[in-house]
Amino acid sequence: EPEVTQTPSHQVTQMGQEVILRCVPISNHLYFYWYRQILGQKVEFLVSFYNNEISEKSEIFDDQFSVERPDGSNFTLKIRSTKLEDSAMYFCASSAGRGRNEQFFGPGTRLTVL
Amino acid sequence: RKEVEQDPGPFNVPEGATVAFNCTYSNSASQSFFWYRQDCRKEPKLLMSVYSSGNEDGRFTAQLNRASQYISLLIRDSKLSDSATYLCVVNIGNEKLTFGTGTRLTIIP
Repeated sequence: EPEVTQTPSHQVTQMGQEVILRCVPISNHLYFYWYRQILGQKVEFLVSFYNNEISEKSEIFDDQFSVERPDGSNFTLKIRSTKLEDSAMYFCASSAGRGRNEQFFGPGTRLTVL
Repeated sequence: RKEVEQDPGPFNVPEGATVAFNCTYSNSASQSFFWYRQDCRKEPKLLMSVYSSGNEDGRFTAQLNRASQYISLLIRDSKLSDSATYLCVVNIGNEKLTFGTGTRLTIIP
C-alpha cells in the first residue's frame, strides 16, 4: 500500500538555526500539505501546495516558513530561524484531489528546538 | 465557539462493549467529514469518511446530521487494539482539514 514517508524522524536543533523537513508524498497524488501538532494539542494546518505553488496557508505559516517541491518526488518544509515554540511534530500529508478527497499522513518529524 | 468540538474523554470501556463519540462543528459550509485515529506520538490515520446517508465499515458506524452540525462514531464489540485517540475532522471544501482535539479511548481487558 502506498504511503507518505518523512525524514528525519527526529530533528534536534539550536534556536535560530535553519531546518529542512523532507517528505515524499504518495506518487500519484497532486495536493500536498504540512500540519503541525504541539505536544498535547490538536493537529493544526500550516500550508497546502498544488501545481508548484502555495494554494492556502494559515496564520502560523509566516515569513520564516517556506515550502518547495525541488524535484518530482520530494516536498520540503524549511524553517529559516527556529524558535523554541516551533518544537512540535510536523506531519506531511497528500491527497489525490482537494476538498472531499481524503488526506493521508506521513509518520511525522519530531522537531525539538533547544 | 470552537470550529470542531469533541469530548476529550478519557473513555475507559471494557473489551466487547459498544462506545459512541460525538462531535459538533461550527461552520455550516463544511462539506466533508472524517474520523481519524491517532495512536500515541503517531500520525493521524484515516478511519473513515462520513457521508450524509451514514456509513458503516465493519464494527464502525459513522453518522452525520447536517441540520444539527453533528457527527458521531459508533464502535461495536470493542477490541484492545481500538485504544487510541479519535479525531473528528472537517473540511469546508478548501485545502485545509480542521481537527478537533480528539477523544481518548482506552479498552480495558
